[in-house]
Amino acid sequence: EPEVTQTPSHQVTQMGQEVILRCVPISNHLYFYWYRQILGQKVEFLVSFYNNEISEKSEIFDDQFSVERPDGSNFTLKIRSTKLEDSAMYFCASSLTRGNTGELFFGEGSRLTVL
Amino acid sequence: DAKTTQPTSMDCAEGRAANLPCNHSTISGNEYVYWYRQIHSQGPQYIIHGLKNNETNEMASLIITEDRKSSTLILPHATLRDTAVYYCIVRVDGGGADGLTFGKGTHLIIQP
Repeated sequence: EPEVTQTPSHQVTQMGQEVILRCVPISNHLYFYWYRQILGQKVEFLVSFYNNEISEKSEIFDDQFSVERPDGSNFTLKIRSTKLEDSAMYFCASSLTRGNTGELFFGEGSRLTVL
Repeated sequence: DAKTTQPTSMDCAEGRAANLPCNHSTISGNEYVYWYRQIHSQGPQYIIHGLKNNETNEMASLIITEDRKSSTLILPHATLRDTAVYYCIVRVDGGGADGLTFGKGTHLIIQP
């Protein structure tokens, strides 16, 4: 069964460092998403991406965050200068279609620890 | 904020049907009810969704009341691997908002 894969599974970084989290969505999917989950809290939407541009973003997704699809397979989330509060599990998701025919498939997540 | 209300936690005996309720009294006509689950900090997993008719797939059944203000997810024969947090999500149809809004969900514990 096709799946969304994420790397790294766990990254530890120092505050102020740049971090890039990588995702390989399901190959024929067209819509891509990042979510995060701080330990013990809710899963929160960050951003959605379609046709090489951001289609929606939440208040969390400020100027420190950026997303990119640098080639035909990878989808990345960059945090420019990490803060302690960026420590969380980051989930990538993809879907074939949008709206209510678009079931989201989530990856297993990348755990980011900022020291 | 999430537009749904779910119990914080529930227990169910292994092999029995698990019935998870969800209230969504402010749901509008073009909003679907989705269910996802999250097993121990793994990525959320889609279970089922519906608009107004009852739905069934290989994982679960979804029963939506006639007024659409509440729904029940049914896992017909719960196993220990069904222990997870179950999220009931209301999602607008088509265009505009793409992001799913997760609430706190129901922590379902399957007891051996």
